[in-house]
Amino acid sequence: ETGVTQTPRHLVMGMTNKKSLKCEQHLGHNAMYWYKQSAKKPLELMFVYNFKEQTENNSVPSRFSPECPNSSHLFLHLHTLQPEDSALYLCASSPMGTSGMTSTDTQYFGPGTRLTVL
Amino acid sequence: GNSVTQMEGPVTLSEEAFLTINCTYTATGYPSLFWYVQYPGEGLQLLLKATKADDKGSNKGFEATYRKETTSFHLEKGSVQVSDSAVYFCALNRDDKIIFGKGTRLHILP
Repeated sequence: ETGVTQTPRHLVMGMTNKKSLKCEQHLGHNAMYWYKQSAKKPLELMFVYNFKEQTENNSVPSRFSPECPNSSHLFLHLHTLQPEDSALYLCASSPMGTSGMTSTDTQYFGPGTRLTVL
Repeated sequence: GNSVTQMEGPVTLSEEAFLTINCTYTATGYPSLFWYVQYPGEGLQLLLKATKADDKGSNKGFEATYRKETTSFHLEKGSVQVSDSAVYFCALNRDDKIIFGKGTRLHILP
C-alpha cells in the first residue's frame, strides 16, 4: 500500500465511449502525475500537476483530458479513444512540485488502471 | 539528453542464484539514481536510491552503488527468491524529471 489509490482497476470501453480514471493520494503531496505503460515500451509521462496547476503536457492527444481539482485528486477523462490507447495508466505523486523538486525526490505510484479499448 | 539504459530481459534464474541487472545512464551533472520494482498487477514501488557518487542504496537484500566513473547503477542481490519475480526499472532524477529505463523482467524458478 503506497498511499495512492486508483479506480477503476480495470476498464473496457468502446471507441465512442466517455469514461474517467480517478487517482487519490493520502500522502499530503503537492505534485501528481499520469503515466502510460504499454507493453515493451518505456514508461511515458503524460501530465504533471503541481499545486493543482498543470505544469507539463508531453504532447498527449486531446482525447485525454486531465483534471486536478485539488492536490489530493487527479482525473483522466477519456473520449473517442483508439485501440492503441490500450495500456496500463499509472498515477503517481511526489512531495514537492516540479518547480521546487529536489534531485532526491521520489514518486509514489498507484496500482494502475488496466484500460482496454475495443 | 538524459537517458537510462538497462539490460534487456527477461532474466530467468533459479532460487538462491546471484542476480545482477545492469543499468547505465547519461546525464548532465549529478542526478539521483533509483531502482523501482513492479510486482504483477501492481504499480511501481521504490526499491532503493542513491543521491551522490559512491553512495550505496540497499533494501530487501538488494544493493546498487552509484558509480560516476562508469555512469552505472547496477542492481545486485546475493540470493534471489521466487517472490523477487517482478519487473525492475532503473531511473534517474535530473532537471525536475524522473526518466525510467525500459524495465527488466525477472523470473525466479523454484
